Amino acid sequence: EDQVTQSPEALRLQEGESSSLNCSYTVSGLRGLFWYRQDPGKGPEFLFTLYSAGEEKEKERLKATLTKKESFLHITAPKPEDSATYLCAVLRWSDYKLSFGAGTTVTVRA
Amino acid sequence: DVKVTQSSRYLVKRTGEKVFLECVQDMDHENMFWYRQDPGLGLRLIYFSYDVKMKEKGDIPEGYSVSREKKERFSLILESASTNQTSMYLCASSLADESEQYFGPGTRLTVT
Repeated sequence: EDQVTQSPEALRLQEGESSSLNCSYTVSGLRGLFWYRQDPGKGPEFLFTLYSAGEEKEKERLKATLTKKESFLHITAPKPEDSATYLCAVLRWSDYKLSFGAGTTVTVRA
Repeated sequence: DVKVTQSSRYLVKRTGEKVFLECVQDMDHENMFWYRQDPGLGLRLIYFSYDVKMKEKGDIPEGYSVSREKKERFSLILESASTNQTSMYLCASSLADESEQYFGPGTRLTVT
């Protein structure tokens, strides 16, 4: 059975304290892995898509990487505005459906 | 920019009522999706549509139906609302199968 597991569930950081979020997956035939950011009471906002192991994508203080079994979202020198829940999701070759992890809630204190 | 809009941000309905949630996207996307999001359970797919008048069941379709009469509009219908359908409902659209999905702001539905 396909699974997407994110860790940790919650992460509290000081401003400037870099850290990484993990998304491990077991899926038969990965078509793509997606990262989203979700602010409280809002819909998820697309960040990155990764398609193959070794691929990396960057946007401001965020960098996503992909291996054959997991993806990392690195937050470099975070600011309070980076506080959000970060979701990863996998898309299989077999269908159109995304499977989401439960998310990691990041809180950055000034 | 892609814009996905949902008809209501907050909705309160009574048990047994028929509930309609509407979603509209303005970017001519082929695929549209309905999810519900609950604490600890994450996002779960209810139904999706890859073309007008086409629909496919997601992981939790029981108690729901959908309608897509026009490309830009995808409706979720709760035939007889129950308290266990209290949740945040999110609509999304994507250009193609492998493309990223763009989400609407969500509708928080409370069934009393």
